[in-house]
Amino acid sequence: DQQVKQNSPSLSVQEGRISILNCDYTNSMFDYFLWYKKYPAEGPTFLISISSIKDKNEDGRFTVFLNKSAKHLSLHIVPSQPGDSAVYFCAASGASGGYQKVTFGTGTKLQVIP
Amino acid sequence: DVKVTQSSRYLVKRTGEKVFLECVQDMDHENMFWYRQDPGLGLRLIYFSYDVKMKEKGDIPEGYSVSREKKERFSLILESASTNQTSMYLCASRPAGPSSGNTIYFGEGSWLTVV
Repeated sequence: DQQVKQNSPSLSVQEGRISILNCDYTNSMFDYFLWYKKYPAEGPTFLISISSIKDKNEDGRFTVFLNKSAKHLSLHIVPSQPGDSAVYFCAASGASGGYQKVTFGTGTKLQVIP
Repeated sequence: DVKVTQSSRYLVKRTGEKVFLECVQDMDHENMFWYRQDPGLGLRLIYFSYDVKMKEKGDIPEGYSVSREKKERFSLILESASTNQTSMYLCASRPAGPSSGNTIYFGEGSWLTVV
């Protein structure tokens, strides 16, 4: 049972344009969400997070939007750069699990074309 | 900077061998995790530990065990390696409690091939 879903396995975007990566979740107990970026043969690195008490969080070129009623979040990258080409994982955790367990999605491979 | 170190980056083992994957973190984090990454399946949690000598099964614990004798060290054990355990294994750590922001810090990963 996939509780965190990233339905687009891949995405191609022109350099300078906006990249939008989507994530859906099914567990209404999730209340903290994270995005990670992963290059091949490296461990994932933390990008940005959002608490369920917010609907938007920005950090430079990266913005995460949360729609709790739809159980949907998205990561916007503006402007996209070739160095952003990587696999992006959405993740979620909840108080019911003591925040200990973090569930990841299947990932979306982003390619930014120069 | 948080440092999570996985002792082996690349391993090749034979079917039936016992395999140890070691992980050390230097930030005094209470929680440590082992994930595996497979194409199309994302990151799947194998086991996690919230304290020394404490462990909890994740989503795919079958065929694995773990050991946490010291706070900074979390080991993943494949008692009898099988070819379907060929994967990239990722260790991670995180401070306890929601006030930490729940950020998980990952190691570089260990590529295991079972032949």
